Amino acid sequence: GAGVSQTPSNKVTEKGKYVELRCDPISGHTALYWYRQSLGQGPEFLIYFQGTGAADDSGLPNDRFFAVRPEGSVSTLKIQRTERGDSAVYLCASSLKGGTVQYFGPGTRLTVT
Amino acid sequence: AQTVTQSQPEMSVQEAETVTLSCTYDTSENNYYLFWYKQPPSRQMILVIRQEAYKQQNATENRFSVNFQKAAKSFSLKISDSQLGDTAMYFCASTHPNFGNEKLTFGTGTRLTIIP
Repeated sequence: GAGVSQTPSNKVTEKGKYVELRCDPISGHTALYWYRQSLGQGPEFLIYFQGTGAADDSGLPNDRFFAVRPEGSVSTLKIQRTERGDSAVYLCASSLKGGTVQYFGPGTRLTVT
Repeated sequence: AQTVTQSQPEMSVQEAETVTLSCTYDTSENNYYLFWYKQPPSRQMILVIRQEAYKQQNATENRFSVNFQKAAKSFSLKISDSQLGDTAMYFCASTHPNFGNEKLTFGTGTRLTIIP
């Protein structure tokens, strides 16, 4: 079956602009995670959804970052007033509830100029 | 809180040889899981191998095996008969069961190059 997909693959935006990054998880996976991977680093946890609700948003760096998953499937990560420090690869992963194996998408590379 | 440390930023090895990547971790949990993920230039993280902490037997997946030393909190990955397709970033990661929230904590990665 289809894996986790993310769009766009690459996004270049100007400082101060608003961006949306989309994640389409594996069908039937109720758990969805967002991670941010800065250059030369490992991914860092941002937010976890179980179904439609954000069960853990402790990794969001500040209130410019927000994520939704209104129907329990597709999720959108929203970044307001982007800053150059937001430049990174944003990875999405999904799993079955309670499943310890996460399946990752190819990521969105965000560049803020 | 969990921490994962990978002390080898880069490694290289000749094709067909064996290479071992190191990882140490720290956790206060009794039940946890450890992983090795591979990230090729395509960026997609691919699960290589998983180890459950309560299992003493080291996990093996074809050419990939781990040396899990629970007391030392060490979790190394051995790649046997290395192939050109093994060239990638390798990340060690940990998680613990938490009512469905199995967020991963990653190390900083090791860039592995297989030399033809």
